[in-house]
Amino acid sequence: DTGVSQDPRHKITKRGQNVTFRCDPISEHNRLYWYRQTLGQGPEFLTYFQNEAQLEKSRLLSNRFSAERPKGSFSTLEIQRTEQGDSAMYLCASSSGTGTYSPLHFGNGTRLTVT
Amino acid sequence: AQSVTQLDSHVSVSEGTPVLLRCNYSSSYSPSLFWYVQHPNKGLQLLLKYTSAATLVKGINGFEAEFKKSETSFHLTKPSAHMSDAAEYFCVVSENSGYSTLTFGKGTMLLVSP
Repeated sequence: DTGVSQDPRHKITKRGQNVTFRCDPISEHNRLYWYRQTLGQGPEFLTYFQNEAQLEKSRLLSNRFSAERPKGSFSTLEIQRTEQGDSAMYLCASSSGTGTYSPLHFGNGTRLTVT
Repeated sequence: AQSVTQLDSHVSVSEGTPVLLRCNYSSSYSPSLFWYVQHPNKGLQLLLKYTSAATLVKGINGFEAEFKKSETSFHLTKPSAHMSDAAEYFCVVSENSGYSTLTFGKGTMLLVSP
């Protein structure tokens, strides 16, 4: 079990640029989540995949944001035309989706800074 | 709708003294409740969970929490703090929807002094 892996760890970009983050979940996990964490706040839910299907999107996920999980394994989160308000830690988590509650395993996150 | 309120943004204790991190929740349904810990530059780690079984839940590293429905509380405690406990702690609620979307509190930073 290598854990949830996120790449890159840090990203600095200029306002208006597009950025893409990658998440590799634990291999046998069929559920994948994206969260965003800003300074002084707890993580906020963005979106959720079960296998390759995106089943839920938060209203926080504006039309500049898009997430994919094409083969039900790794996932990407793209932000187009970045704004300074997008600066945050983007967290990915995965779970096995079995039992009453399957714990979420979080990656170390990608910290985005928009200048 | 579900929500979580962590009553203290910072808690300072001395090593060897008890820890109390307070959490109140709001949920329309019978919730599941969790505490996660986040050490600097580390991912979030599950400390313990309550999912409608025993109301006193024991977690890792000597932490425990008690679910009190009448008070809508789920406070985290530890009898004796250790320096390695210094971290940010998040109280989390889930309404047991099919995919376990979690709602996090704003976090409590635990500071432990020698």
